[in-house]
Amino acid sequence: SQKIEQNSEALNIQEGKTATLTCNYTNYSPAYLQWYRQDPGRGPVFLLLIRENEKEKRKERLKVTFDTTLKQSLFHITASQPADSATYLCALDEPGGYNKLIFGAGTRLAVHP
Amino acid sequence: GAGVSQSPSNKVTEKGKDVELRCDPISGHTALYWYRQSLGQGLEFLIYFQGNSAPDKSGLPSDRFSAERTGGSVSTLTIQRTQQEDSAVYLCASSPLSGTGGSNQPQHFGDGTRLSIL
Repeated sequence: SQKIEQNSEALNIQEGKTATLTCNYTNYSPAYLQWYRQDPGRGPVFLLLIRENEKEKRKERLKVTFDTTLKQSLFHITASQPADSATYLCALDEPGGYNKLIFGAGTRLAVHP
Repeated sequence: GAGVSQSPSNKVTEKGKDVELRCDPISGHTALYWYRQSLGQGLEFLIYFQGNSAPDKSGLPSDRFSAERTGGSVSTLTIQRTQQEDSAVYLCASSPLSGTGGSNQPQHFGDGTRLSIL
């Protein structure tokens, strides 16, 4: 079965630097991959979706890459701010003909002033 | 409302009691999902509803768990004879379309119900 691996250790970076979070999967390559942000006590919020035939997707300070050979997606936040501090989850679609997602456990990002 | 609404936001109950959790999806969203999130863990899929189709119940952990969706809108997740291992945050999500060729929709989440079993 599909397993998703995200770094369980928190990522601590200085404000203004680029944060890079990793999502690895072990089995089949998904048709698409999504990234979500989750703040404490809140539900996840959708950020970006990238399809298997796309290498890179950008939205403002966010960039996602998708390498089906490495079975990996990287999520970058440039010019990071303390407000970017949160847990970031990656999610992959599961075959089945509908929008069923498998979520990783997430990586906590802490941006320090 | 503008987003997915879940109630109650917190629920504390004694082991063995039944609980009902409610989800109001975004108006017009045909797909509705329930997930469970334990502390420090990822989201565990429980059940999925899409329109009038039979729900996908493959993620329900035991027969103590059931869910229904009335009129294609509001959904309730029921846990009977609760156990301490049922303690978790139960999240509901909805999306506007689900199906082959249209399976790339983001899911919109509520803020969950934090369930604590004493």
